[in-house]
Amino acid sequence: AQSVTQPDIHITVSEGASLELRCNYSYGATPYLFWYVQSPGQGLQLLLKYFSGDTLVQGIKGFEAEFKRSQSSFNLRKPSVHWSDAAEYFCAVGAGNTGKLIFGQGTTLQVKP
Amino acid sequence: DADVTQTPRNRITKTGKRIMLECSQTKGHDRMYWYRQDPGLGLRLIYYSFDVKDINKGEISDGYSVSRQAQAKFSLSLESAIPNQTALYFCATRPNANTGELFFGEGSRLTVL
Repeated sequence: AQSVTQPDIHITVSEGASLELRCNYSYGATPYLFWYVQSPGQGLQLLLKYFSGDTLVQGIKGFEAEFKRSQSSFNLRKPSVHWSDAAEYFCAVGAGNTGKLIFGQGTTLQVKP
Repeated sequence: DADVTQTPRNRITKTGKRIMLECSQTKGHDRMYWYRQDPGLGLRLIYYSFDVKDINKGEISDGYSVSRQAQAKFSLSLESAIPNQTALYFCATRPNANTGELFFGEGSRLTVL
């Protein structure tokens, strides 16, 4: 069965520091992978997605993610975190023809001044 | 106006009451989804629909029902609400292509006392 694991429930970084949020997936075929961000009281906004091609994907707000098939990972990175990046981040995998997305548990990012 | 609109945004109800959460969209997408978000569990799929005549159960459909009244409208009902259905509920839409991302509403927070 497909699944997504985000090993870090909560991460705290200083403003200006680099960020990496981990995501591991289990899926039998080539996955469609997504990262979403949820600010407090808001819905989910797409940061980036991977379907095929270049394994390094650029997204909005300066985020990028790298698909590593050998490690079944799709980690999200940002070189310099801003206070406005404090939010909850969700990794998701697309599950075949149903169009369903399976989500990880989420990682809450706190940014220290 | 939002592309995916959920009503109500907040609702407090009592155990045993019938509750309906409504979702409407202006994106013209055929696929619509209801997810439930709980802290530490991420988003879990309740029901999804590919068109008016195609309704499918997700991973946690027990205690819920849905109605797809039109392409643009997808309602979630709790026939007899119970406290462990207290959660944040999201409606989402998706284009027909499996590579498309989900577009989310802003969520409906339901509290069952």
